[in-house]
Amino acid sequence: DSGVTQTPKHLITATGQRVTLRCSPRSGDLSVYWYQQSLDQGLQFLIQYYNGEERAKGNILERFSAQQFPDLHSELNLSSLELGDSALYFCASSPSGTGETQYFGPGTRLLVL
Amino acid sequence: GESVGLHLPTLSVQEGDNSIINCAYSNSASDYFIWYKQESGKGPQFIIDIRSNMDKRQGQRVTVLLNKTVKHLSLQIAATQPGDSAVYFCAENRGPGYSTLTFGKGTMLLVSP
Repeated sequence: DSGVTQTPKHLITATGQRVTLRCSPRSGDLSVYWYQQSLDQGLQFLIQYYNGEERAKGNILERFSAQQFPDLHSELNLSSLELGDSALYFCASSPSGTGETQYFGPGTRLLVL
Repeated sequence: GESVGLHLPTLSVQEGDNSIINCAYSNSASDYFIWYKQESGKGPQFIIDIRSNMDKRQGQRVTVLLNKTVKHLSLQIAATQPGDSAVYFCAENRGPGYSTLTFGKGTMLLVSP
């Protein structure tokens, strides 16, 4: 158990809908990262937050957004969902967000029908 | 379980054999490297790391070797066990100024009893 928690574990929704994925980092970690993992791709970095501020952006679609709250938990919002958004979404956290080891949560499996 | 990639390189070994998983990186300024293990349906789990000022680092049954001349990283697993079956990812921090990790595509390790 890494200490990173993610909810929900599974999510089934329809195309065009919007969902919110939630992540709580390890105690003491200030930085949160979001990744997408689909069957034909590796881990795709989406976005990083550090202490409430966006720090780095990866291949995140405009339909997706994220934020980190004062209590350091983070949410990833996915809107206008398409079939191709079906994937595992992982959150990771690290102490200072400076490229050190990241600790991953168990993931949220999203299925868009 | 499910696979995390349809076209991952695969290494098949017998229980008790030693396994070597390789990873090439492209950025000569990369200064920190990590190996992760991802079991089916779970999040990536930290195994071992190494900084660029080292050539070798050992853990419990695992050794990471770094060859900066040819930009190559390897993970050696001694006395491989069925529980080692998973996808293994290498990750690198590309140097000062990078707050994130870049992940490789992964290698699937299959251990037969």
